[in-house]
Amino acid sequence: EVQLVQSGAEVKKPGESLQISCKGSGFNFNTNWIAWVRQMPGKGLEWMGIIYPDDSDTRYSPSFQGQVTISVDKSVNTAYLRWSRLKVSDTAMYYCARRYTVVTWELLDYWGQGTLVTVSS
Amino acid sequence: DIQMTQSPSSLSASVGDRVTITCRSSQSIANFLNWYQQKPGEAPRLLIYGASRLQSGVPSRFSGSGSGTDFSLTITSLQPEDFATYYCQESYSNPFTFGPGTKVDI
Repeated sequence: EVQLVQSGAEVKKPGESLQISCKGSGFNFNTNWIAWVRQMPGKGLEWMGIIYPDDSDTRYSPSFQGQVTISVDKSVNTAYLRWSRLKVSDTAMYYCARRYTVVTWELLDYWGQGTLVTVSS
Repeated sequence: DIQMTQSPSSLSASVGDRVTITCRSSQSIANFLNWYQQKPGEAPRLLIYGASRLQSGVPSRFSGSGSGTDFSLTITSLQPEDFATYYCQESYSNPFTFGPGTKVDI
């Protein structure tokens, strides 16, 4: 069974650093792109970026380039999303998802349960 | 980046209704269009990919159509479990932008 299990909710202060994780199982983690998606409170879905675990090839949305770092440790089938200095505006639910290819179509077919990040002074 | 719009932003419907949601892209994306359903407190769920292809396990009352810049998601005979927010997403070029969502409620 394909599963993506994310780390638990976090409460942090502005300026602090944070790394959240997404552990995959039930599929070949190394050869499937893993995407990160942000959902701010009461808002829609925003594509942040994507990483290919086998070679760590990473593509960021321009809106998130330089704001976060996406990384992976393929030895433990885990992708990460990291902030070096959190802002109140980073408060959101963050989802990881597997990007899968069917013929030529790319889709997010399995999603993690989400990690709620709350940044407040 | 490709921009995605959806209409309406919300709609009220009843069980048994036929519901259609439209999605438009700022440039042609052929049929590289996905639809997701999200219920409150849950992760999104893939419904349709390739504009019209039903994801495994999704009920056949969901269907998608369109190509180029104009797409639609139709739910025939709305069921209680279909009250949710629906998002389109282009998968033509990185970043794979989502539409703003359409909330379907009673």
